[in-house]
Amino acid sequence: QLQLQESGPGLVKPSETLSLTCAVSGGSISSSDYYWGWVRQPPGKGLEWIGTISFGETTYYNPSLRSRVTISGDTSKRQFSLKVSSVTAADTAVYYCARHVLRLHFMDVWGKGTTVIVSS
Amino acid sequence: DIQMTQSPSSVSASVGDRVTITCRASQGISSWLVWYQQKPGKAPKLLIYAASSLQGGVPSRFSGSGSGTDFTLTISNLQPEDFATYYCQQSDSFPLTFGGGTKVQIK
Repeated sequence: QLQLQESGPGLVKPSETLSLTCAVSGGSISSSDYYWGWVRQPPGKGLEWIGTISFGETTYYNPSLRSRVTISGDTSKRQFSLKVSSVTAADTAVYYCARHVLRLHFMDVWGKGTTVIVSS
Repeated sequence: DIQMTQSPSSVSASVGDRVTITCRASQGISSWLVWYQQKPGKAPKLLIYAASSLQGGVPSRFSGSGSGTDFTLTISNLQPEDFATYYCQQSDSFPLTFGGGTKVQIK
């Protein structure tokens, strides 16, 4: 059974870079049927799609975050990563990684999420 | 970007009730609409994709309908485990966008 697990620092200082990793187990990460994405949820608010990567290394980003976000993947380590630069308090959120079904563009398997707080 | 608007933002209902949640897209998205359920402290769970296709393992009391700009999620015979927040998401084009959520609460 496919499982995704986010990891990374829970506290990041303003203006620094947030870095998270999603480890994939129990299934193929290089299948051509799937992409891999990140979604976040600020406290008490709704869901925001951050971006998605295919392992042909094509990336798709939310234009609202594009200038600060990088998503990369490493099939040998069975993981993909998110970096958000120049963070502010507005980047405080639960960050989820998820499997993104190709062409249908929905997320069918999610990690449990990791909370990132931006504070000095 | 395609804007997704859900209504109502919250609804109070009793076990056994039928609940209907609406999602409207700012432009036509054919049937490219997804529904998720989220419980407090948990990740979203996929319920329905392509507007009306039930994800495997999801109870048949959940159903989706609609096309173009107007969509509906219906929960028939509401069960205690269905009290949660529901989100729609358009899957027509990037950037993927979500509705603001509808909280189904116990009356």
